[in-house]
Amino acid sequence: GEDVEQSLFLSVREGDSSVINCTYTDSSSTYLYWYKQEPGAGLQLLTYIFSNMDMKQDQRLTVLLNKKDKHLSLRIADTQTGDSAIYFCAESGGDDKIIFGKGTRLHILP
Amino acid sequence: EAGVTQSPTHLIKTRGQQVTLRCSPISGHTSVYWYQQALGLGLQFLLWYDEGEERNRGNFPPRFSGRQFPNYSSELNVNALELEDSALYLCASSWSSSGSFDEQYFGPGTRLTVT
Repeated sequence: GEDVEQSLFLSVREGDSSVINCTYTDSSSTYLYWYKQEPGAGLQLLTYIFSNMDMKQDQRLTVLLNKKDKHLSLRIADTQTGDSAIYFCAESGGDDKIIFGKGTRLHILP
Repeated sequence: EAGVTQSPTHLIKTRGQQVTLRCSPISGHTSVYWYQQALGLGLQFLLWYDEGEERNRGNFPPRFSGRQFPNYSSELNVNALELEDSALYLCASSWSSSGSFDEQYFGPGTRLTVT
């Protein structure tokens, strides 16, 4: 079945770049998403990319998609303490069904 | 054990009308989250209720509101419906306000169509 995999933890020093990686199995994915969940809060959509795009940049966020390898990454430039959260990768084929990864917990070191 | 339930399953409204969606959390869960899932946009966080109080809301206009009852069930109200409100509305519940996403249990959703 369809699956989304991502590493569970990432530690980054404040000011460095964070790169969170994700792989997915559904070759018919149309949309790929990155969500952020801060402690005690709901999911918030950070950014998304269409499957026909390679890259999308939005301020400190850069999303890279390698469709051939089914690999998605999220780069956060100049990581701040406020970026500490769980980041979820997700994919959908354009219908209602969204498959989520288990989330990567980003820890910011001083 | 019953999961998260939502009602109704489908709803068709016209522009300008008002709608109320309902959610019953898993027994023992005190937090309820509401999400909007519009086609192609993924999940958008709407509202979070815990112990009867609104704890957080997403980037939605004030015509989206809700409440949580003493039995922890919740309602989502949308006033002055617009065409772009057509979406699947998902409710999720969790044990506590510190629950991470993988501790949130989702209901089947209510599909709202605005014509």
